[in-house]
Amino acid sequence: DTEVTQTPKHLVMGMTNKKSLKCEQHMGHRAMYWYKQKAKKPPELMFVYSYEKLSINESVPSRFSPECPNSSLLNLHLHALQPEDSALYLCASSQELTGMNSPLHFGNGTRLTVT
Amino acid sequence: GQNIDQPTEMTATEGAIVQINCTYQTSGFNGLFWYQQHAGEAPTFLSYNVLDGLEEKGRFSSFLSRSKGYSYLLLKELQMKDSASYLCASWGLTGGGNKLTFGTGTQLKVEL
Repeated sequence: DTEVTQTPKHLVMGMTNKKSLKCEQHMGHRAMYWYKQKAKKPPELMFVYSYEKLSINESVPSRFSPECPNSSLLNLHLHALQPEDSALYLCASSQELTGMNSPLHFGNGTRLTVT
Repeated sequence: GQNIDQPTEMTATEGAIVQINCTYQTSGFNGLFWYQQHAGEAPTFLSYNVLDGLEEKGRFSSFLSRSKGYSYLLLKELQMKDSASYLCASWGLTGGGNKLTFGTGTQLKVEL
């Protein structure tokens, strides 16, 4: 079982809908991430939060809006998505944002389909 | 910038040993990770190297040569359940800060 919990597991939404993906971890990790993964491709970084502040935005379109309400929670707000945004959205956390013996722990992901 | 290369596919026999190679070019290199990902599931952490040498964890070992920008993952006594994608990932500096970048993954198929 993963220690990073993502909800919902599956989401189908229309292009005019507004929805949110949620992620929670209770490992005391101070860095949290959103990755997007298309079929047979590696995860691609979207956003990084460190100590609840946005550290990296990989030029993600504004229809994706991240939020980190506290050190345990990470949300991704979705609005006016396109069909090509359909993918597996993975949340991850790590102890620190340095890489030094601080592996990312991934949640099981939200499978998003935009119709 | 960051560039990571690994083979797309490999096939091996149950009980055998397989080595998956990875080469990287990473600015501000700060460590090399290996992840396993089964289809439709999240990546799971296998190993981490930051210094040159071999790290062993049961049936899995990982090697790093920083001077050559090279790593490999060694899987021994292969089992059918080892069929999965193996992702090499490096920590490095980008314009925005430290981040983990994944290679395209090596799809390993274990056969009887």
